[in-house]
Amino acid sequence: AQSVAQPEDQVNVAEGNPLTVKCTYSVSGNPYLFWYVQYPNRGLQFLLKYITGDNLVKGSYGFEAEFNKSQTSFHLKKPSALVSDSALYFCAVRALQMEYGNKLVFGAGTILRVKS
Amino acid sequence: GAGVSQTPSNKVTEKGKYVELRCDPISGHTALYWYRQSLGQGPEFLIYFQGTGAADDSGLPNDRFFAVRPEGSVSTLKIQRTERGDSAVYLCASSSDVDTQYFGPGTRLTVL
Repeated sequence: AQSVAQPEDQVNVAEGNPLTVKCTYSVSGNPYLFWYVQYPNRGLQFLLKYITGDNLVKGSYGFEAEFNKSQTSFHLKKPSALVSDSALYFCAVRALQMEYGNKLVFGAGTILRVKS
Repeated sequence: GAGVSQTPSNKVTEKGKYVELRCDPISGHTALYWYRQSLGQGPEFLIYFQGTGAADDSGLPNDRFFAVRPEGSVSTLKIQRTERGDSAVYLCASSSDVDTQYFGPGTRLTVL
């Protein structure tokens, strides 16, 4: 069975500083990994994904994530945080093999607060 | 282009009533998904359609929940005899392939 852990309920960072939002996963076989962002009273907005290839993935709004197979991690990063990055971030995993279904399994989410 | 749309955006009902939630996917997307998000939690999978058929309904919590997609486009999630524990945000997503799912804004269901 797939699972995702986001160990931090909240991450606080000053504007202009680098940010990291942590994610670890468990899945049978190879994973598809995703990051989504959710603003208040809005749906989930896709940020980036890892399917295969380069372990460093670049996505929307300057975000990137690094896939680490040995540590089963997929941490979200940004070199310089903006106040407008403040939101709720979700990591999600899907098993590559279709026998495990096509559903996404999400972590509980991490609130990111960027202060000016 | 147009994203996934969901109606209504909010639904308040009384315990025991029947509700229908609608999802209009991105045009051309063959796959459609329903998730439920309770307060303070990540979305949880309910059901997945490929075309008109439910390919995976393993996430439906019980037989009060049912979903259809009769023409392979719009989908309706139906909840019978609603309970207070059904209160949540119901999210719909669609995809054109097996990886990236694009989500709608959700329907907030409140059962009084």
